[in-house]
Amino acid sequence: AQSVAQPEDQVNVAEGNPLTVKCTYSVSGNPYLFWYVQYPNRGLQFLLKYITGDNLVKGSYGFEAEFNKSQTSFHLKKPSALVSDSALYFCAVRDMLPTGANNLFFGTGTRLTVIP
Amino acid sequence: IAGITQAPTSQILAAGRRMTLRCTQDMRHNAMYWYRQDLGLGLRLIHYSNTAGTTGKGEVPDGYSVSRANTDDFPLTLASAVPSQTSVYFCASSASGGEGYEQYFGPGTRLTVT
Repeated sequence: AQSVAQPEDQVNVAEGNPLTVKCTYSVSGNPYLFWYVQYPNRGLQFLLKYITGDNLVKGSYGFEAEFNKSQTSFHLKKPSALVSDSALYFCAVRDMLPTGANNLFFGTGTRLTVIP
Repeated sequence: IAGITQAPTSQILAAGRRMTLRCTQDMRHNAMYWYRQDLGLGLRLIHYSNTAGTTGKGEVPDGYSVSRANTDDFPLTLASAVPSQTSVYFCASSASGGEGYEQYFGPGTRLTVT
């Protein structure tokens, strides 16, 4: 089965500083990886995905993620954090269910706090 | 604006009662999903549907049932609620095949079973 791990429950960063939210994965075959963001009392919003191609993937709101096959990682990054980036971030990997349906296996989430 | 709607937004339910959470999407996505979100556990898949007329069990299906009579609607029913079903429930959908692997989520239903 596919899985992802987010080793940090909480990440604090000062506004204007670069941020990184970590994710490692374990898959058989080619990984399809995703990042989602959840703001308080809201549903999850899709940020970006890696399917194939360039290891650096650019997404919404200035976020990007770097796929590293040798380290089995897919860390989320942003060059300059904003207070409005404070939210819960989820890494996910595509998992194929027995019926052939696409499913997403989610990590446990990392709470990002950007300090003014 | 296209997307997914869920109802109710929140609900307090007595144990033993029956409850249906509603989910409607207008993106004509074939696949739909129900997740529950619990602190420290992330999101866990309850049930899913590849296409209208078909459903399947996810990671935590016990105590829940779903139906998919048409493309747009995917209700989740708790036949006899128990306190362990207190959670936030999210409905999601995705296009099938091609690049449609990402899922789009509704705003969630916060359910408290007392």
